[in-house]
Amino acid sequence: KNQVEQSPQSLIILEGKNCTLQCNYTVSPFSNLRWYKQDTGRGPVSLTIMTFSENTKSNGRYTATLDADTKQSSLHITASQLSDSASYICVVSAGNAGNMLTFGGGTRLMVKP
Amino acid sequence: EADIYQTPRYLVIGTGKKITLECSQTMGHDKMYWYQQDPGMELHLIHYSYGVNSTEKGDLSSESTVSRIRTEHFPLTLESARPSHTSQYLCASSERGGEETQYFGPGTRLLVL
Repeated sequence: KNQVEQSPQSLIILEGKNCTLQCNYTVSPFSNLRWYKQDTGRGPVSLTIMTFSENTKSNGRYTATLDADTKQSSLHITASQLSDSASYICVVSAGNAGNMLTFGGGTRLMVKP
Repeated sequence: EADIYQTPRYLVIGTGKKITLECSQTMGHDKMYWYQQDPGMELHLIHYSYGVNSTEKGDLSSESTVSRIRTEHFPLTLESARPSHTSQYLCASSERGGEETQYFGPGTRLLVL
């Protein structure tokens, strides 16, 4: 069964600090991995997408890494801002018919002043 | 910002009522999806469509039904709402092929009394 596990479940950090969110997956065959940001009461918004051959991808203060061998990904947030408070969801796409997505449970990040 | 819209944003309704949640997108995307998400929990796919007149059930069993008569429109219907249907419903769309990043609407929060 395809699974995506994220850690930690929740995290509180002070404004300006860095943090790293983890994602482990057992999706096969692997197609790509996305990180989404979901603000409370809103739909998720895509931050990054990485395919098998990509090790790292940045989007402003967000940097995602992918290790396809160990099936792990991380999302690093630099110099956090209050607006970074949200849920961050790791989503893995299977490389089969339909490219169905497997969603992680998300990490709920709170940035405090 | 994605051009995908959902109405209503919030709905409180009594048990046994018939409801339709609207979703429309102006991006010309072939693929559309409905997800169900309980507070603080992961998204679960309940319906998807590859194009006009195409509808498929997702991973999570749902008593709701969908239709796809027009490319831009993908409504979800519950014939008889029950308290167990209380949840957030998120609609998404994506292009066929390429990265197939899913763009999400703002969601409909449904409360069945």
